[in-house]
This record gives sequence, C-alpha cells and structure tokens, in this order.
Amino acid sequence: DTEVTQTPKHLVMGMTNKKSLKCEQHMGHRAMYWYKQKAKKPPELMFVYSYEKLSINESVPSRFSPECPNSSLLNLHLHALQPEDSALYLCASSQEGGPRGETQYFGPGTRLLVL
Amino acid sequence: SQQGEEDPQALSIQEGENATMNCSYKTSINNLQWYRQNSGRGLVHLILIRSNEREKHSGRLRVTLDTSKKSSSLLITASRAADTASYFCATDVTGDMRFGAGTRLTVKP
Repeated sequence: DTEVTQTPKHLVMGMTNKKSLKCEQHMGHRAMYWYKQKAKKPPELMFVYSYEKLSINESVPSRFSPECPNSSLLNLHLHALQPEDSALYLCASSQEGGPRGETQYFGPGTRLLVL
Repeated sequence: SQQGEEDPQALSIQEGENATMNCSYKTSINNLQWYRQNSGRGLVHLILIRSNEREKHSGRLRVTLDTSKKSSSLLITASRAADTASYFCATDVTGDMRFGAGTRLTVKP
C-alpha cells in the first residue's frame, strides 16, 4: 500500500470554527509532513514529524496546530483561521526523514476555503 | 521560502516533442528531486538525483545535475497529452524540502 489518504477532500469553514484535517499512511513511514499550497504556487513546508515528534515548525501561526497520535496518523487542527489561509493542504510521508533525502509520498490534499 | 527557481514558468508543446525544464538553486544540496502535480492534486515523485550524480534516467525522463552551476534539468522525451501537469524541482536542506516555483507544461494532442 503506497497510498497517503487525506480527509476531508474539501472543507469550508468560518473564521470562528474549529476543524481538523486528517492524514493517514500505512507504509511504515516514520516521517510525516504538512504543506500549504496556494494557487499557482509551489508547496510550502509547514511542519515535519519524525518518529512522532515535531522536528520542524516553519514559523507557522498558532492557529494551525499539528498532532501526530501515532506513526500512521497526522492531524492538523485549525482554529480562528483567516481568509488568506484558504489553500490546498497537502500531507506527505517518507521513510525516516532527515537530510539524506528521501522520496516523499503525497496525499491528494484537502482544499480549504475560509469564509 | 523557495530554494529553487525554475524556467520556463510555462511551456506548451505538441505531442511527440521533447520538453526541457530547468531548475536553479542557491545553496549546497544533498540531493535534488523532481515531482509532478496534476491540476490541484497531490504531487507524484518522479526522480531523485544525489549530489554526486550527474545524470539519471527513468523511462522517458532524463535528469541532469550540475552542482558547480547549482542547476538541474528535466527532459521528457516523446511527450504525451497525459504529461500535461506542473513540474517542480525540490531540494533537501537539513531535512526540510523546498520546492521551486514550478513549470506548467501543456502537451497538445
């Protein structure tokens, strides 16, 4: 199974809502990633988890809160978002993470619209 | 923040022609990867080339890496309409991957 799944596929939320994005992989990977992608732009790294510990946080606002309950699951909790946070949120996983360079496997993304 | 810059930003060719995309980056790297993204969907890994490699092939794809010029190129030979997508180079800096701006390739049937 080389698939990374993400739910929901689409999400519309108001600025006062609390919602969560979910990501799951069953490839035995120990590194998982959240990216944000605006239209016609490249993905931008938000968070990296390695062995269930947050290893990289790219100065993301606190209204985004990641969580890694176990090695197969990655959540992104959203609270009090702004309209400019509307984007495609991509999850990815790789074998271990780290600087040696690994193939990352991406999910299809969650398209988020903040009203 | 982006690590790489790609050119051209957009490329339109006829089916059967070759497509070449270029990527330049700023800092020393351990490896460079190329990914493809169909419209609004997840990215698919194409090829990884390490800093001690100069050229790599995978099917109709050929990637070159010139570390002295801090640049890489992706060649797609005998293009097909299904190759229509955005192509991104990505470099690994201390475990966090940075993507270039991407090239939007359109292959006309």
